[in-house]
Amino acid sequence: EAQVTQNPRYLITVTGKKLTVTCSQNMNHEYMSWYRQDPGLGLRQIYYSMNVEVTDKGDVPEGYKVSRKEKRNFPLILESPSPNQTSLYFCASSSPGRVHNEQYFGPGTRLTVT
Amino acid sequence: AQKVTQAQTEISVVEKEDVTLDCVYETRDTTYYLFWYKQPPSGELVFLIRRNSFDEQNEISGRYSWNFQKSTSSFNFTITASQVVDSAVYFCALSDLLSGGYNKLIFGAGTRLAVHP
Repeated sequence: EAQVTQNPRYLITVTGKKLTVTCSQNMNHEYMSWYRQDPGLGLRQIYYSMNVEVTDKGDVPEGYKVSRKEKRNFPLILESPSPNQTSLYFCASSSPGRVHNEQYFGPGTRLTVT
Repeated sequence: AQKVTQAQTEISVVEKEDVTLDCVYETRDTTYYLFWYKQPPSGELVFLIRRNSFDEQNEISGRYSWNFQKSTSSFNFTITASQVVDSAVYFCALSDLLSGGYNKLIFGAGTRLAVHP
């Protein structure tokens, strides 16, 4: 079954404690990205990756890092989380191209930073 | 700049009423894609529909219908005979080349729909 998985699904942490949210896809997609969802703002792209070792900033990258060492994995790293990073996070993957190809979203990770 | 506006923050209806969710978009691209997603209380994103800018035909899928009008840059979503299970947050989204490529989605703020029995 084609899917994007995220772990953990729920996380409560404290300010400054480094954390990583994992994302994995089994569709051999080149393109992967992270979004955060906030009330009244919808979803906004944090970072994206066009392929292994190729990553770039999205619209709201401050306070986040990513890496793409393997095609299937795209972890989101918060090195020093702050309360304003409390949000619902989604990972997504798709095949890049000259047309829009179907985008697959993970189930979401709800992060609370106290 | 590319933008998606969902002016209705929350809508409350009684079961069996028809309801329309509005979506207005802005883009300078001539080729673009529009989407609707549903987010039920469980939190996942459920894909509902994708339209490209060259296909202005309205679409109907069961109780759901979509009205795409390029002249007004709108892509509205109507639920006929609403049901309690339709209660969710609905997102309209846009992708085009200028905003970062077709793989990136620009989302509206979402409309929370509450359907009461």
